[in-house]
Amino acid sequence: EIEMTQSPATLSVSPGERATLSCRASQSVSRNLAWYQQHPGQAPRLLISGASTRATGIPARFSGNGSGTEFTLTISSLQSEDFAIYYCQHYNNWPPWTFGQGTKVEIK
Amino acid sequence: QVQLQESGPGLVKPSETLSLTCTVSGGSISYYYWSWIRQPPGQGLQWIGYIYFSGNTMNNPSLKGRATISVDTSKNQFSLKVRSVTPADTAVYYCARSQWLVSEFDHWGQGTLVTVSS
Repeated sequence: EIEMTQSPATLSVSPGERATLSCRASQSVSRNLAWYQQHPGQAPRLLISGASTRATGIPARFSGNGSGTEFTLTISSLQSEDFAIYYCQHYNNWPPWTFGQGTKVEIK
Repeated sequence: QVQLQESGPGLVKPSETLSLTCTVSGGSISYYYWSWIRQPPGQGLQWIGYIYFSGNTMNNPSLKGRATISVDTSKNQFSLKVRSVTPADTAVYYCARSQWLVSEFDHWGQGTLVTVSS
């Protein structure tokens, strides 16, 4: 099973600032990596697939990068609705698919 | 726009079987992969398993064979059973869709909380 590790656990950012979240895989997952956003009491929402492709309707301030074992999600200018928990997930080669433990983006 | 809706009991006794159904609307269940994912309170996400509309399934070994996923294409539904539950199975259970086996979860249900308690 591939382990996904996210850092930091919590990121304190002021509105309008840039946020960079990291995700590391315990072995290469190529570019088979997705990012999700989850607000309290809601289901996760797909943001990014294929490490860098924004899902339908996702604003351009969200961008993903990386391949192999190192990935980043960048939010270029945080809006109030972006304060949430973000999860990375691999879907490389064969199940089980695994998620990172999440990064909480909170208002500074 | 495809929508997914979980349904089932919110309270299950220890050692009994948890049973949930996901109803797919706004689109066909055919030619997609359908997964169950759970999230214990205050914790992260765990993939439980998937089923293809044809009936092919695969489960996460971490559940040690306790999970069974089935599909009913005539009703556009798929279901999850987890036997011999313990309080550690308390979680919000989500159903989700993938376009292919090796792809992201592009649509999710709203989730349903299942509590295991006597």
